[in-house]
Amino acid sequence: RKEVEQDPGPFNVPEGATVAFNCTYSNSASQSFFWYRQDCRKEPKLLMSVYSSGNEDGRFTAQLNRASQYISLLIRDSKLSDSATYLCVSLTGGGNKLTFGTGTQLKVEL
Amino acid sequence: NAGVMQNPRHLVRRRGQEARLRCSPMKGHSHVYWYRQLPEEGLKFMVYLQKENIIDESGMPKERFSAEFPKEGPSILRIQQVVRGDSAAYFCASSPDSSDGSPLHFGNGTRLTVT
Repeated sequence: RKEVEQDPGPFNVPEGATVAFNCTYSNSASQSFFWYRQDCRKEPKLLMSVYSSGNEDGRFTAQLNRASQYISLLIRDSKLSDSATYLCVSLTGGGNKLTFGTGTQLKVEL
Repeated sequence: NAGVMQNPRHLVRRRGQEARLRCSPMKGHSHVYWYRQLPEEGLKFMVYLQKENIIDESGMPKERFSAEFPKEGPSILRIQQVVRGDSAAYFCASSPDSSDGSPLHFGNGTRLTVT
């Protein structure tokens, strides 16, 4: 079983739609979680950190459920520019060693 | 303040040649991390280095791959006798401290193509 699992998609949604991505992790010792965004053939860029209390950044909301070992990302009012691959990431143990999911591809269409 | 700098952006090597990938961390950062992304796959941790020390190389293939981060100069990921399966994007990240749990910020990567 992969340490971080995501639905690969693609999710094809119309502009303005709300879309939700889910992610599960298997290592209960994981300490921190993040969502990264990766555009085609470019480096992954940090989108937001994920907290148990939930956190929101504009149109983006992230949530962590430690009991279920589940992380989510909600994008409201999606834009064409949101089209990318969204990577669910955990940090476990000492150091800043990250474990990446394989990513969920989002395509926002007119 | 420049971010993490990687070069070259693209590298083409024939089978059996050596590939050298360079990573200059952000100013003031003494910790470097290398990740590899194979086509259609997620990023996989390879190695974590501090100046002049390898801290964790649990993700490095046992043969042909090596990494260093000298006291002066960039970190180098070296792949000897490259094979087609080494074709991938190699990303580097840096941090000022090993233990603060902050997310990493990546350089723009080196895309290695082995022909």
